[in-house]
Amino acid sequence: GQQLNQSPQSMFIQEGEDVSMNCTSSSIFNTWLWYKQDPGEGPVLLIALYKAGELTSNGRLTAQFGITRKDSFLNISASIPSDVGIYFCAGRNTGNQFYFGTGTSLTVIP
Amino acid sequence: DSGVTQTPKHLITATGQRVTLRCSPRSGDLSVYWYQQSLDQGLQFLIQYYNGEERAKGNILERFSAQQFPDLHSELNLSSLELGDSALYFCASGGRVGTEAFFGQGTRLTVV
Repeated sequence: GQQLNQSPQSMFIQEGEDVSMNCTSSSIFNTWLWYKQDPGEGPVLLIALYKAGELTSNGRLTAQFGITRKDSFLNISASIPSDVGIYFCAGRNTGNQFYFGTGTSLTVIP
Repeated sequence: DSGVTQTPKHLITATGQRVTLRCSPRSGDLSVYWYQQSLDQGLQFLIQYYNGEERAKGNILERFSAQQFPDLHSELNLSSLELGDSALYFCASGGRVGTEAFFGQGTRLTVV
């Protein structure tokens, strides 16, 4: 099945630094979603984007729906230890099918 | 709480056995998606049901099958289990226009 290209695969950053990750696809999506997964838990929805060019924030998180509808990025500002986890992007196509990225593992060093 | 309920939370079984995982979607959601997540792996899409009918199929083995019942809950059946089937199995629900996919807490399957 289709998977989205998500990068970077992992990140090790100092507490307080900003983080940026992105997701690209060969197909157009109508919706881009960003999830965070803690160990042993299910992914939790962070941000949903519905229109090309849309920029949406949720606290220290900001995500954008790429103008080509084939990419999206997620920024985390002023990282804190509880930001640790795996971040997944997901795209939803016109057929209501979801495809997930391979994940970005984030480690925040206090 | 996402509103998606998965049972059981943990399952330990022997090779060759068959198990059934259950998922109750959020109220009003018609779609159920099943995903497999092996250790240190991403989410592998298995299958999607929409209002009782199979909508899309991913990398699902022939030993695995699923169905969605009239009350919209879904079951994932895994048979002739192998050690490599040990993984977290997630279901997500969604599908209404403009809504997102919400995940359950997952079922951790261990095949010994």
